[in-house]
Amino acid sequence: KQEVTQIPAALSVPEGENLVLNCSFTDSAIYNLQWFRQDPGKGLTSLLLIQSSQREQTSGRLNASLDKSSGRSTLYIAASQPGDSATYLCAVRPQGAQKLVFGQGTRLTINP
Amino acid sequence: NAGVTQTPKFQVLKTGQSMTLQCAQDMNHEYMSWYRQDPGMGLRLIHYSVGAGITDQGEVPNGYNVSRSTTEDFPLRLLSAAPSQTSVYFCASSPLGGPSTDTQYFGPGTRLTVL
Repeated sequence: KQEVTQIPAALSVPEGENLVLNCSFTDSAIYNLQWFRQDPGKGLTSLLLIQSSQREQTSGRLNASLDKSSGRSTLYIAASQPGDSATYLCAVRPQGAQKLVFGQGTRLTINP
Repeated sequence: NAGVTQTPKFQVLKTGQSMTLQCAQDMNHEYMSWYRQDPGMGLRLIHYSVGAGITDQGEVPNGYNVSRSTTEDFPLRLLSAAPSQTSVYFCASSPLGGPSTDTQYFGPGTRLTVL
């Protein structure tokens, strides 16, 4: 059974720092991995989608990497801003499955 | 485009009551799904649909029914509400062109409390 883990559960850093969020999954048989952002009381917004054949994807200050063989993904946020404060979730789509398996998220706080 | 819309935003039910959570999307997406989000457990799939007239169960389907009569709408029915169904419910949709077009679009959620 696919399991997704995100460590740490919470992270607080000063504004301007570069930071890395971690995601690990137990089964490398995946179609893709997505990173989402969730603001308090709101729905999820997709940030980046990495196909199983890809190593990384970039969008603005965000860069996500995927190492399928080791079951790891990282989300790199450059020059963090207070507006980046949110919960970040990763999710994998297992091969042969019409669903996403989510991690429990990392709650990120950027302090001005 | 409104994207994915959900109603109501908040709902309080008594044990045993039934209700329907509404979900609609205007992006002509074939795939729609319902998740529940609980503290410490992440999001878990309840039911999903790959097109009108086609539905299937996810990880936690017990106590919930779905139907898909149109591409746009995917309502979730609670048959007899229980306190264990207190949760935040999210509807999501995506195209069905394959993993490369898998970007999921989520609604704002319905916060349900069952007393």
